Amino acid sequence: EVQLLESGGGLVQPGGSLRLSCAASGFTFSNYAISWLRQAPGKGPEWVSAITSGDDTYYADSVKGRFTISRDNSKNTLYLQMNSLRAEDTALYYCAKEGAARGTYWFDPWGQGTLVTVSS
Amino acid sequence: SYVLTQPPSVSVAPGQTARITCGGSNIGSKSVHWYLQKPGQAPVLVVYDDSDRPSGIPERFSGSSSGNTATLTISRVEAGDEADYYCQIWDRSSAHVFGTGTKVTVL
Repeated sequence: EVQLLESGGGLVQPGGSLRLSCAASGFTFSNYAISWLRQAPGKGPEWVSAITSGDDTYYADSVKGRFTISRDNSKNTLYLQMNSLRAEDTALYYCAKEGAARGTYWFDPWGQGTLVTVSS
Repeated sequence: SYVLTQPPSVSVAPGQTARITCGGSNIGSKSVHWYLQKPGQAPVLVVYDDSDRPSGIPERFSGSSSGNTATLTISRVEAGDEADYYCQIWDRSSAHVFGTGTKVTVL
């Protein structure tokens, strides 16, 4: 069974930093692109960043230059380094395995999420 | 950037059919994916690539897309189908885009 388990969330002051982790199991981690997504309270999901099996990285405009995605295939773990955090970054952060076919991409499954709160 | 618009809510009686729309410019030319999300839980993929179902998703869930509208259809609705539903596309210029979400209430 494919499982994704996020950790590292917490309360941080504006301008601060946080590193999220996503531990994967049940599939060959190195063969798949993995994304970070987030969901602010009462809002829909928002894609944040993705890393391919070849280590190509992609970011939403809202986090570009502040967040860095990386992976350690030896540990089956995905990371998201978040710097210069803002109040609007407050959300539940999910990692999700990407599916792909015919030039389109989807997310399945998702982890249970880790909560990031940016507040003074 | 690309925008996907869903009705805020849909109400349906048990055993009836629920149809959730997702509007976007020429969405019929893109592949649409659908997720359900129950309170306090992570989203779950129910339809991908317009009309394919992941393993374990009942045949009651089906998808279609044409023109400017994609539709998720839930047949023989059950109480357990009550959830928020989101459509999603991948677009080369906008990357991943999610719809505004639809709350399905089973009466």
